[in-house]
Amino acid sequence: EIVLTQSPGTLSLSPGERATLSCRASQSVSSTYLAWYQQKAGQVPRLLIYGASSRATGIPDRFSGSGSGTDFTLTISRLEPEDFAVYYCQQNGGSFGGGTKVEIK
Amino acid sequence: EVQLVESGGGLVQSGGSLRLSCAASGFTFDNYWMAWVRQAPGKGLEWVANIKQDGSQKNYVDSVKGRFTISRDNTKNSLYLQMNSLGADDTAVYYCARGFNHCYDIWGQGTMVTVSS
Repeated sequence: EIVLTQSPGTLSLSPGERATLSCRASQSVSSTYLAWYQQKAGQVPRLLIYGASSRATGIPDRFSGSGSGTDFTLTISRLEPEDFAVYYCQQNGGSFGGGTKVEIK
Repeated sequence: EVQLVESGGGLVQSGGSLRLSCAASGFTFDNYWMAWVRQAPGKGLEWVANIKQDGSQKNYVDSVKGRFTISRDNTKNSLYLQMNSLGADDTAVYYCARGFNHCYDIWGQGTMVTVSS
């Protein structure tokens, strides 16, 4: 079973700043199989990125994904007020990482 | 409108059983893998199970193998999760989700399952 470890657990930033979130896999994951989700408090998860770097429908281009092998990154270029949420990575439709909370500093 | 609506959650005693349902609409149901994902109160997401378009392949997280069964009825555009031998660790919101490129693009609002001891 592939274990995904996300870091940091919490990221405290101000609107307008750049956010860099990490997802590390316990073994190599095909880029095709790595996805990122956003979940706001009390809401359903929303797909942001699939195939490690492809934005889902309607996702703004300030969200970008990169990486390969065991190390993947979600970058939010300039944080908007609505971006403060919890972010999860997932591999091959299976296990999720533990999440990174992006909070307002 | 593409939509997934879960039902069947509730309060059940430890050791009991529950069957969740997910009604799909707005898309061709039998073209997609489907899955159940759960979230315990205040915790992260946990993938539970998924099922291939024709039901010929099913996958489960280790913690539910032998206790939970995922199934689907393509004639009714419905997904199911039969949960037996429930324990406190199964308390969570259970989401139904549509498969898309090895991830999930459409999610239901979820149904709450509470297991009491």
